Amino acid sequence: NAGVTQTPKFRILKIGQSMTLQCTQDMNHNYMYWYRQDPGMGLKLIYYSVGAGITDKGEVPNGYNVSRSTTEDFPLRLELAAPSQTSVYFCASRISQDNQPQHFGDGTRLSIL
Amino acid sequence: AQSVAQPEDQVNVAEGNPLTVKCTYSVSGNPYLFWYVQYPNRGLQFLLKYITGDNLVKGSYGFEAEFNKSQTSFHLKKPSALVSDSALYFCAVRDGLAGGFKTIFGAGTRLFVKA
Repeated sequence: NAGVTQTPKFRILKIGQSMTLQCTQDMNHNYMYWYRQDPGMGLKLIYYSVGAGITDKGEVPNGYNVSRSTTEDFPLRLELAAPSQTSVYFCASRISQDNQPQHFGDGTRLSIL
Repeated sequence: AQSVAQPEDQVNVAEGNPLTVKCTYSVSGNPYLFWYVQYPNRGLQFLLKYITGDNLVKGSYGFEAEFNKSQTSFHLKKPSALVSDSALYFCAVRDGLAGGFKTIFGAGTRLFVKA
């Protein structure tokens, strides 16, 4: 049971480039989330999804896009990379019962230069 | 609106001593409270949760947390710290009445356990 898998683990981008951060989970969880973690700032929610075909914005969605075509996959797209998007990105999932914890991937460390 | 505060950026304890990592929260409905731990270059790992019932919740690796409704606190505790407990700890809250899609995380507290 792999849990939540994120790829790549590390990436360096130039300003203006685009990329997709991949996230897949094998636990059949309906809810999936993307967070960014900046030093001393905790986790900020970028986008979330409550099921295939349904996505919604979190606290900091500007500069990002998501899609949810299957239950398993929830990719995060950066269209025009900016230095402010340098961060560690975490994907998480959970079942829809409200009292259950989230399961996290190990993150993607992204630097924009 | 939901919020959670971890008032200490860092906690230092000696191995074998008890440890406490503090957390206070604010929700309009019934709180679902969680503690997570993060080791270097890893994602967050679930430690324990409070949903309802007993105010003292036991979790993984010997950790426990005390829910105090009047003080709106959910402090993480361990009777005897280990060097291997050194990590970043996050408190999180979800509003049980507000449809629970979103979880709000604290800024994190770094725990250093000295041998």
